[in-house]
Amino acid sequence: DAKTTQPPSMDCAEGRAANLPCNHSTISGNEYVYWYRQIHSQGPQYIIHGLKNNETNEMASLIITEDRKSSTLILPHATLRDTAVYYCIVKVLTGGGNKLTFGTGTQLKVEL
Amino acid sequence: DTGVSQDPRHKITKRGQNVTFRCDPISEHNRLYWYRQTLGQGPEFLTYFQNEAQLEKSRLLSDRFSAERPKGSFSTLEIQRTEQGDSAMYLCASSLDERTKKFFGPGTRLTVL
Repeated sequence: DAKTTQPPSMDCAEGRAANLPCNHSTISGNEYVYWYRQIHSQGPQYIIHGLKNNETNEMASLIITEDRKSSTLILPHATLRDTAVYYCIVKVLTGGGNKLTFGTGTQLKVEL
Repeated sequence: DTGVSQDPRHKITKRGQNVTFRCDPISEHNRLYWYRQTLGQGPEFLTYFQNEAQLEKSRLLSDRFSAERPKGSFSTLEIQRTEQGDSAMYLCASSLDERTKKFFGPGTRLTVL
């Protein structure tokens, strides 16, 4: 699975959009970009995933660049409850046991 | 609540003791995964099951570790002769199949004194 690079921490004001970047310059054509988050003392939670097109669900939007070497997770109106570690993971959809390889993620702190 | 549950949530033990953790996945989820997470790090894969079959074990899973899923439903993770380095959060996750997203439990925090 391709390696990802994320900033260790980011701050965001409540109510504003949080834009979390991820670099994955060695991504292969069949690898998807997944985002999970982990609120303190809880297990990770799936947010969204995509291959090449932008994706949106009730939690967030995922913007993948045309060359697929980087992506941005957007939380459109961040709240205090969005404070968490956000993990960007690149993996194939099937094969390899579907196991996730987590890095150290980005600690997002949402403040008043 | 029909999410993934883990028991106990916290376990404190002395070095050399054996411990066993339990994970109850979401009903009808065929895949069950175990991960370990140490402070400041992301979760690391340990092992996974497809129904009752254990299909892969990480090199992190030493001989002191054993996992079972006897009836393809709940799973147990046992650590024998615990060491201080085993102190970590042990996370369980389940998914319907290979393609679908994983749901994680709240984890069992192990402290080895």
